[in-house]
Amino acid sequence: AQSVTQLGSHVSVSEGALVLLRCNYSSSVPPYLFWYVQYPNQGLQLLLKYTSAATLVKGINGFEAEFKKSETSFHLTKPSAHMSDAAEYFCAVSEDTGNQFYFGTGTSLTVIP
Amino acid sequence: NAGVTQTPKFRILKIGQSMTLQCTQDMNHNYMYWYRQDPGMGLKLIYYSVGAGITDKGEVPNGYNVSRSTTEDFPLRLELAAPSQTSVYFCASSPRSKLYGYTFGSGTRLTVV
Repeated sequence: AQSVTQLGSHVSVSEGALVLLRCNYSSSVPPYLFWYVQYPNQGLQLLLKYTSAATLVKGINGFEAEFKKSETSFHLTKPSAHMSDAAEYFCAVSEDTGNQFYFGTGTSLTVIP
Repeated sequence: NAGVTQTPKFRILKIGQSMTLQCTQDMNHNYMYWYRQDPGMGLKLIYYSVGAGITDKGEVPNGYNVSRSTTEDFPLRLELAAPSQTSVYFCASSPRSKLYGYTFGSGTRLTVV
């Protein structure tokens, strides 16, 4: 079965600083990779996805992620944090076959004014 | 657009009671899913459905049942509620497998006492 590791359950950055949220997966084949964002008391929203096209994927709200097969990573970045970015972020992975996504345990992002 | 609608938003159950969590989507999506979210644990798949009349177990199906009589509705039934079922439940849908990502509902927060 797939597994997803999000390093750092809590990340704090200053407003305007770089955001880096880490995601590593276990897979022997190229997977589908997604990042979701969850604001307080809301459901998850799709931020961006990698589905074997370009390795650098751009998403909403200025976020992007790079698929690195050699490192089995799909880290999420944003050049300049905004207060509105404070939320929980989940990385999810799925193989080509099967219907299940495997979610990481989430990273809570705090933005300090 | 309503998207994925879950009811109720909150519920407190006593041990041994039963209830049905409702989920309906108006996007004509074939695939629907039920997840539970526990603190620090990410999301775990309970059941999923690839179309009306077809359901299958996910990672944590024990204590739950589902049905899919229409494309729009995918209710989750809890029989004999237990404290271990205290969680936040999310319903999600996707148009065709997982390539397009999920659309999530806003969740149902269930407490079993």
